[in-house]
Amino acid sequence: GAGVSQSPSNKVTEKGKDVELRCDPISGHTALYWYRQRLGQGLEFLIYFQGNSAPDKSGLPSDRFSAERTGESVSTLTIQRTQQEDSAVYLCASSSRSDRATDTQYFGPGTRLTVL
Amino acid sequence: AQSVTQLDSQVPVFEEAPVELRCNYSSSVSVYLFWYVQYPNQGLQLLLKYLSGSTLVKGINGFEAEFNKSQTSFHLRKPSVHISDTAEYFCAVRPYSSASKIIFGSGTRLSIRP
Repeated sequence: GAGVSQSPSNKVTEKGKDVELRCDPISGHTALYWYRQRLGQGLEFLIYFQGNSAPDKSGLPSDRFSAERTGESVSTLTIQRTQQEDSAVYLCASSSRSDRATDTQYFGPGTRLTVL
Repeated sequence: AQSVTQLDSQVPVFEEAPVELRCNYSSSVSVYLFWYVQYPNQGLQLLLKYLSGSTLVKGINGFEAEFNKSQTSFHLRKPSVHISDTAEYFCAVRPYSSASKIIFGSGTRLSIRP
């Protein structure tokens, strides 16, 4: 596609429920990143994929968070047993490669998650 | 470890006035520097980046930033702002060796008054 897309754009859920957030990267981009943006704060790195593997999961805040990527394309971020502190905007980005720090990351519009 | 500090959470300016958004960083290794802009209800867009060479970097929409190594700063400037520049601006760094993450500041909300 023309850019990175994410779905849903908004998600409201009840505490304790599981949620899945989807990211479609730019076609041909091998690197994919997930970030979290809490209200009034900068972006926190969560995880990145090179192809289908995830060399760096260091930003995942707890074992309730997981992510997968299939076919070097779509990625899904899953949050199990959601808590109110999980409320944030979840941003996805992709780049053509991840092994060059100069590569530009292109961001999607984000999914706003609200946990009641 | 790296950190990025944006000293102003909000900056209100009048249209056609100049603006400077401040950014300081801390890093024990060499880093590349970036400014991203987030317009209302949109994703982040790269505004400009410093990789090497001239310390004055020009970006889109008339913005520029100057890398100052001794002061570990990368302030963003525009000589005359427009209503359309209303957005949130994020300063970020990425270590030379990083194969993954970018470290972002907390953002500065620029609001333009007519």
